[in-house]
Amino acid sequence: EDKVVQSPLSLVVHEGDTVTLNCSYEVTNFRSLLWYKQEKKAPTFLFMLTSSGIEKKSGRLSSILDKKELFSILNITATQTGDSAIYLCAGTSYGKLTFGQGTILTVHP
Amino acid sequence: GAVVSQHPSRVICKSGTSVKIECRSLDFQATTMFWYRQFPKQSLMLMATSNEGSKATYEQGVEKDKFLINHASLTLSTLTVTSAHPEDSSFYICSALGTSQTDTQYFGPGTRLTVL
Repeated sequence: EDKVVQSPLSLVVHEGDTVTLNCSYEVTNFRSLLWYKQEKKAPTFLFMLTSSGIEKKSGRLSSILDKKELFSILNITATQTGDSAIYLCAGTSYGKLTFGQGTILTVHP
Repeated sequence: GAVVSQHPSRVICKSGTSVKIECRSLDFQATTMFWYRQFPKQSLMLMATSNEGSKATYEQGVEKDKFLINHASLTLSTLTVTSAHPEDSSFYICSALGTSQTDTQYFGPGTRLTVL
């Protein structure tokens, strides 16, 4: 059975801090690792990672995949209150997603 | 980016009634759509995979006679919760596979179902 585990499950920081969210996966016929941000409604897409060691960046967010260790991290630098959300990672196998439990990030002013 | 809509966004119904939720891909054709449910403070749980023109594939533990899925066109999938009960109250989210990045799913805004 495919499995994706995220850590920590929750994180509370202050504005300006840097955070690292972790995602480990065991997915048969693994194709890619996706990161999503979920606020009040449905998840919004952040990154898709398919190759090891290649960092993807979008503003203050960056992510990287280690296919040997079956692991990905999502970094957020200079956090803002608007970054408060649930961050979900998911492993894909032929279009099907297996989600982790999510990390609840709370950024205080 | 790809846009997926869901309707209704919120529904409140009495126990025993049936509720239909629509999921539409607005600017692309989606041969595959997915239905998830999410309980408070929990992650998304895949309920079923919906392929246009064929029967949906349900995940283990999901009753196919209770959660009827129809994917009649390349832009529309529907989920009908039949004879809803309070324990069916949840957040239901659909997603569609994008055409350019086939592993990326684009999510609808979700439907909050409350069964009284």
